[in-house]
Amino acid sequence: DAKTTQPNSMESNEEEPVHLPCNHSTISGTDYIHWYRQLPSQGPEYVIHGLTSNVNNRMASLAIAEDRKSSTLILHRATLRDAAVYYCILRVGGSNYKLTFGKGTLLTVNP
Amino acid sequence: KAGVTQTPRYLIKTRGQQVTLSCSPISGHRSVSWYQQTPGQGLQFLFEYFSETQRNKGNFPGRFSGRQFSNSRSEMNVSTLELGDSALYLCASSLPGTYNEQFFGPGTRLTVL
Repeated sequence: DAKTTQPNSMESNEEEPVHLPCNHSTISGTDYIHWYRQLPSQGPEYVIHGLTSNVNNRMASLAIAEDRKSSTLILHRATLRDAAVYYCILRVGGSNYKLTFGKGTLLTVNP
Repeated sequence: KAGVTQTPRYLIKTRGQQVTLSCSPISGHRSVSWYQQTPGQGLQFLFEYFSETQRNKGNFPGRFSGRQFSNSRSEMNVSTLELGDSALYLCASSLPGTYNEQFFGPGTRLTVL
């Protein structure tokens, strides 16, 4: 399975932007980059996904490096409700629905 | 629209017993995936069902099995429970087609004594 590498933890202050990095040097051409987050005592929640181009949605932005070996999830203004474990996942191309979760990054948001 | 529901939410069993967990996907979702989450191993993929057929399987022993019904509801079964099976079991559903987001349920917390 394609692997991702994320920092174990990061800290941010409320109302400030947060950049969560992810390395995926073994990514192949058809692998999609997905981000999920898991709030305490809840199941994971989809955040965003992309293939090659940068993506924006109401929750976050995803910046993908030109060589696709890394990506960054951007939360534009962190709130206390954004404190969670963030998972960067490579989803293998085709109809494979298998998500291989790594350890993720625990994001702490300080008031 | 109702989310993914899982029953029961909490379960306590003893070693050697078997257990069945249930998952009701979001209406219209035909793909259901199951994951096991433990502090040591994190989130691990168990299997995925689509239109009553297992389409994908993770690296778990045969004691872990599942099925999907014609209404897309899914069950997973664990036989001959071991202490190491204590975990949060998560179910996720998604729409047909590739690369769609998965919607996770709250999970079933299984404790094996």
